[in-house]
Amino acid sequence: AQKVTQAQTEISVVEKEDVTLDCVYETRDTTYYLFWYKQPPSGELVFLIRRNSFDEQNEISGRYSWNFQKSTSSFNFTITASQVVDSAVYFCALSGLDQTGANNLFFGTGTRLTVIP
Amino acid sequence: GAGVSQSPSNKVTEKGKDVELRCDPISGHTALYWYRQRLGQGLEFLIYFQGNSAPDKSGLPSDRFSAERTGESVSTLTIQRTQQEDSAVYLCASSFWGLAGGDVAKNIQYFGAGTRLSVL
Repeated sequence: AQKVTQAQTEISVVEKEDVTLDCVYETRDTTYYLFWYKQPPSGELVFLIRRNSFDEQNEISGRYSWNFQKSTSSFNFTITASQVVDSAVYFCALSGLDQTGANNLFFGTGTRLTVIP
Repeated sequence: GAGVSQSPSNKVTEKGKDVELRCDPISGHTALYWYRQRLGQGLEFLIYFQGNSAPDKSGLPSDRFSAERTGESVSTLTIQRTQQEDSAVYLCASSFWGLAGGDVAKNIQYFGAGTRLSVL
């Protein structure tokens, strides 16, 4: 069974602080994808990143970085020098890969990040 | 538009009424997904369509829920005899699958803004 756990329900930080959002997953698939999405107050989910299970290289994109560790089944997301615009709910998600290439996503319950000016 | 479009953005209905929610996917995307997000919760998968294959309906919570898709375009999610527990935001997503675009483009789901359904 596929399962994603985001243990942090809510996090508040002061602007310019760094913050890490945790994500732990469970899957029996040998090939899978991990995702992070951002849901701002407007409600629309914004795609941030996708990682393949066979690529454990960490990735950095501007103030965002992701740490993928298969040994601990974790895919953590760090925001450096947080800004008020980062305030949103962040979802970690997992999908397998079937023959058709289409897969539903299994989502965690999300972490609500509030950046205080 | 270039993104996934959903309508209506808000729907208020009375218990027992039927509702239809519409999704226009990104042009060229072969896969289309419906999810439900209850207040303060993560997204629950409902159904997905991929090309001409039979849809995966494994996430539909009851037989009051159904969905259709015309080819690789518009999809409609129908909820019959709505109940108060159906109140949620219903999100649609689409993704690309094919040889063009490479692996980077595949299996990334792009979401619409959702339809907020309130059952009174």
